[in-house]
Amino acid sequence: QSALTQPASVSGSPGQSITISCTGTSSDVGSYNLVSWYQQHPGKAPKLMIYEVSKRPSGISNRFSGSKSGNTASLTISGLQAEDEADYYCCSYAGSSTFDVFGTGTKVTVL
Amino acid sequence: QVQLQESGPGLVKPSQTLSLTCTVSGGSINSGGYYWSWIRQHPGKGLEWIGNIYYSGSTYYNPSLKSRLTISIDTSKNRFSLKVSSVTAADTAVYYCARENALYGSGYYFDYWGQGTLVTVSS
Repeated sequence: QSALTQPASVSGSPGQSITISCTGTSSDVGSYNLVSWYQQHPGKAPKLMIYEVSKRPSGISNRFSGSKSGNTASLTISGLQAEDEADYYCCSYAGSSTFDVFGTGTKVTVL
Repeated sequence: QVQLQESGPGLVKPSQTLSLTCTVSGGSINSGGYYWSWIRQHPGKGLEWIGNIYYSGSTYYNPSLKSRLTISIDTSKNRFSLKVSSVTAADTAVYYCARENALYGSGYYFDYWGQGTLVTVSS
């Protein structure tokens, strides 16, 4: 069970858009539309931002959007704000034998 | 509003068993559609899924940890537990409990998390 691959860091200026990729395999991301994304500020628990590839939970800004193509999922943050600076993790369901696998994590810096 | 709270020793000696409990409030653990999960985060590192349990008692474990894991559930006390045997310094991490939403056989996302508890393995 290998971790999904994310870029270590992504940065952008306030107001800009950034995209974080999450690359898996045909056994996880490629097989299921069950990718979720989590935001984690230092010392805090992760927070659900996107589920089922592109759905937003209640209360999450529409500046956050998700998509998937093949074995790669993506999280886009538009209109970047200072409070978006955090670590972001993707996660994919990978079947009943492996269940869940997280991404390696991406640190988002707002310049 | 569902809340989860981890509890257990913050320090465990090498070769011993790490034991944590997650108490759930604001909702019943004895309802279908949710997997009650453990996730850990090594210091300065990413998230690692450990395993989960369904209210029926069915368990699913990370294959890399499976031989040392036991996850159990106590529906009468609305809590579930994690045991990791033969711990080493590599098991030092913040341990989170979380609810994985899998209603209608879909979803599979963590919608509620505990605050996390740091467990250090050291003599």
